[in-house]
Amino acid sequence: GQQVMQIPQYQHVQEGEDFTTYCNSSTTLSNIQWYKQRPGGHPVFLIQLVKSGEVKKQKRLTFQFGEAKKNSSLHITATQTTDVGTYFCAHGNKLVFGAGTILRVKS
Amino acid sequence: GAVVSQHPSRVICKSGTSVKIECRSLDFQATTMFWYRQFPKQSLMLMATSNEGSKATYEQGVEKDKFLINHASLTLSTLTVTSAHPEDSSFYICSAGRALAKNIQYFGAGTRLSVL
Repeated sequence: GQQVMQIPQYQHVQEGEDFTTYCNSSTTLSNIQWYKQRPGGHPVFLIQLVKSGEVKKQKRLTFQFGEAKKNSSLHITATQTTDVGTYFCAHGNKLVFGAGTILRVKS
Repeated sequence: GAVVSQHPSRVICKSGTSVKIECRSLDFQATTMFWYRQFPKQSLMLMATSNEGSKATYEQGVEKDKFLINHASLTLSTLTVTSAHPEDSSFYICSAGRALAKNIQYFGAGTRLSVL
């Protein structure tokens, strides 16, 4: 499957600061999913986006799918220590994962 | 959400032995399951697609004779790492999706394999 580029690789924020991770593809994606993996844990499904320009919110998390369906972002407002983990985007019927963004939150 | 059980969670074995990892969908049937491998601080790499009642489909570069996959029922897939070597040490994770929402994958807790 087509690879997606995910940035940044790593981000360390102060508790209360915002955080954003981005996924970019050179080709149009049919859908994009976001997963969270806590340290030592397994990936947990967060959301799936399928429509061009789609925006979905889950409490402090905002997910966007670009108009061209080639990029997506996950934004966390006012991070908390419970947000710590690795956030992956993934796409396709056979999930192809981005490299992930490791989020660390300093209290 | 759907529950996928993976066992064992951790295994330590000697070089040359074989290790079997089980992946079960507990509250739904899964005609397809996926096996991933994850190295520390890296992403998940798809190894193979496990198909109930037929042969698994392996990704490029994954040795099918090394990583034997059996999907004998709609709720169970097994991955056997044959003649394990230290370079096989890794975190192996399975996933399964419901028929009506196949794209959404539910992951097992993973198996950390250490080959001495």
